[in-house]
Amino acid sequence: DAGVTQSPTHLIKTRGQQVTLRCSPKSGHDTVSWYQQALGQGPQFIFQYYEEEERQRGNFPDRFSGHQFPNYSSELNVNALLLGDSALYLCASSSAHIARGYGYTFGSGTRLTVV
Amino acid sequence: AQSVSQHNHHVILSEAASLELGCNYSYGGTVNLFWYVQYPGQHLQLLLKYFSGDPLVKGIKGFEAEFIKSKFSFNLRKPSVQWSDTAEYFCAVNAPGFNDMRFGAGTRLTVKP
Repeated sequence: DAGVTQSPTHLIKTRGQQVTLRCSPKSGHDTVSWYQQALGQGPQFIFQYYEEEERQRGNFPDRFSGHQFPNYSSELNVNALLLGDSALYLCASSSAHIARGYGYTFGSGTRLTVV
Repeated sequence: AQSVSQHNHHVILSEAASLELGCNYSYGGTVNLFWYVQYPGQHLQLLLKYFSGDPLVKGIKGFEAEFIKSKFSFNLRKPSVQWSDTAEYFCAVNAPGFNDMRFGAGTRLTVKP
């Protein structure tokens, strides 16, 4: 059990469509980060949410947006899907003390395939 | 550019062989360093982490890593690998000024029985 729950586990979408991925953080964690992991690559940071606001953003276009709810759960939205958006999307939760090196807890991910 | 580099893309070893996976980073200042493992079909799991103190860090499953500040390196080691160590290994850095972690491209380890 990862402690971080992501849904759905797999998703197939058509180019141009929109998708919403969901994440429930580990109990006690208040910060959610989203990563994109393309096949054969390391996870690439998309953005991080804390206190319902985007705290930091990686090098991803505005088509990628997110939200954090009062219960700390989070959504990742991707608009106007491109074939290149096909990847494993990982959610990671942590406490606000990440800067002290406590590390993340990762979910199992959502495998998005864009056709 | 700031980055995390893992030098080996794919490593193949026989059981009982020793393992060393390289990781270098280019961030300045005080960094926090991590090694994660991803077994086939499973989520990323923390192997070990370093944020201060003894530069030789011991993690789970017999893994250890050494932080060498002068070389900007954090190499992962294991004296004797097992078939069950077959997995993808990722080095990650939490750098000053960043709330996130930056990952290397990963090293795929295959251990032959």
